[in-house]
Amino acid sequence: ETGVTQSPTHLIKTRGQQVTLRCSSQSGHNTVSWYQQALGQGPQFIFQYYREEENGRGNFPPRFSGLQFPNYSSELNVNALELDDSALYLCASSKTRQGILTGANVLTFGAGSRLTVL
Amino acid sequence: ELKVEQNPLFLSMQEGKNYTIYCNYSTTSDRLYWYRQDPGKSLESLFVLLSNGAVKQEGRLMASLDTKARLSTLHITAAVHDLSATYFCAVDGKPNDKVIFGPGTSLSVIP
Repeated sequence: ETGVTQSPTHLIKTRGQQVTLRCSSQSGHNTVSWYQQALGQGPQFIFQYYREEENGRGNFPPRFSGLQFPNYSSELNVNALELDDSALYLCASSKTRQGILTGANVLTFGAGSRLTVL
Repeated sequence: ELKVEQNPLFLSMQEGKNYTIYCNYSTTSDRLYWYRQDPGKSLESLFVLLSNGAVKQEGRLMASLDTKARLSTLHITAAVHDLSATYFCAVDGKPNDKVIFGPGTSLSVIP
């Protein structure tokens, strides 16, 4: 089975620009969650997508938005980039019941997209 | 709002020694996860603990869960250098059941 793949792996943007990050979920998974991990910190939950709709959101402003496609892949879009948006963005796919992990199912993470905002 | 804390945040230990990492969380949850992250890498799932009293073991790592105390422990036995990494605990938050991570414990095992 293929794992979670993310692109691009690294990118550099300037303040005010917009960025789109992409994620292909693991085979058999139906849910995608996005996390932001600043250097030296734990991953912070941005939002989750289930059945192509946002299904839960963390404390992130509306300029963070996303999409999920029928094949369960997903995009994270960030508008009006700020310096503090510099971080590793992690996509995690999972198999859920209506967005809720059950049984032994866990989040499976991709390698991440490292964003630097100058 | 669910908060997840870990103690210690940094741990330097000698090979062959034992140590325990603690994870406390602030609201009721029945699911707790432990992940490992190597420098510059993504997160790898180690354990999922699904009920009070659950214990899981893999090699030199053993995780346990006390849901009444809202506490999980990750015990390291006879540490080896290969265990050097950052360890995160994570909990399904209420009410939206999304997985919330702790700040991580950076473990360095010294020969």
